[in-house]
Amino acid sequence: DGGITQSPKYLFRKEGQNVTLSCEQNLNHDAMYWYRQDPGQGLRLIYYSQIVNDFQKGDIAEGYSVSREKKESFPLTVTSAQKNPTAFYLCASSFGGAQSNQPQHFGDGTRLSIL
Amino acid sequence: RKEVEQDPGPFNVPEGATVAFNCTYSNSASQSFFWYRQDCRKEPKLLMSVYSSGNEDGRFTAQLNRASQYISLLIRDSKLSDSATYLCVVNMRSGNTPLVFGKGTRLSVIA
Repeated sequence: DGGITQSPKYLFRKEGQNVTLSCEQNLNHDAMYWYRQDPGQGLRLIYYSQIVNDFQKGDIAEGYSVSREKKESFPLTVTSAQKNPTAFYLCASSFGGAQSNQPQHFGDGTRLSIL
Repeated sequence: RKEVEQDPGPFNVPEGATVAFNCTYSNSASQSFFWYRQDCRKEPKLLMSVYSSGNEDGRFTAQLNRASQYISLLIRDSKLSDSATYLCVVNMRSGNTPLVFGKGTRLSVIA
């Protein structure tokens, strides 16, 4: 089945620890995105990538890092510099560049909590 | 003015009712518009794109009013399964954020 796979579904982070969230897609989509959603809030863009080996900061990139070594994969690292990492993290992908008229399709998310 | 603004609701309606949501956007250069549905603790799922001429998909109708910069979603004959949060999404064509998501309008359909 084609789709976007995020793992793990639940993740716990200790203080001072970096953690990496996985996102893989087999839709042959060009662009990939990471969002954060806090309870009762809208989605906020962390980073996005339009092609391999290139990515841009979104509105809340501080404390996060990404890489795009393969078209299919866009992992997100939540670093210890992110002081309030507890949230629902959503990965998405779309055909064309980020400014195209194509909709984004989402993985089923990772819930990150602080221990 | 916020980039994408929606009435948060909740809208509590009986089964079979017709309900409409509006969403306003700030960038007149925006070119593409979508409605997504998000169930509690789940990912957003694309409900429908919104075309200039308006479009319909079963019980759902989407409209775009460029002059007033708003889009709307009409749900006819509401079902219990329509209970969810409906997100308005706009391609703002500027700044760091390709697509801007509204905070959503919560709908509860009651038996």
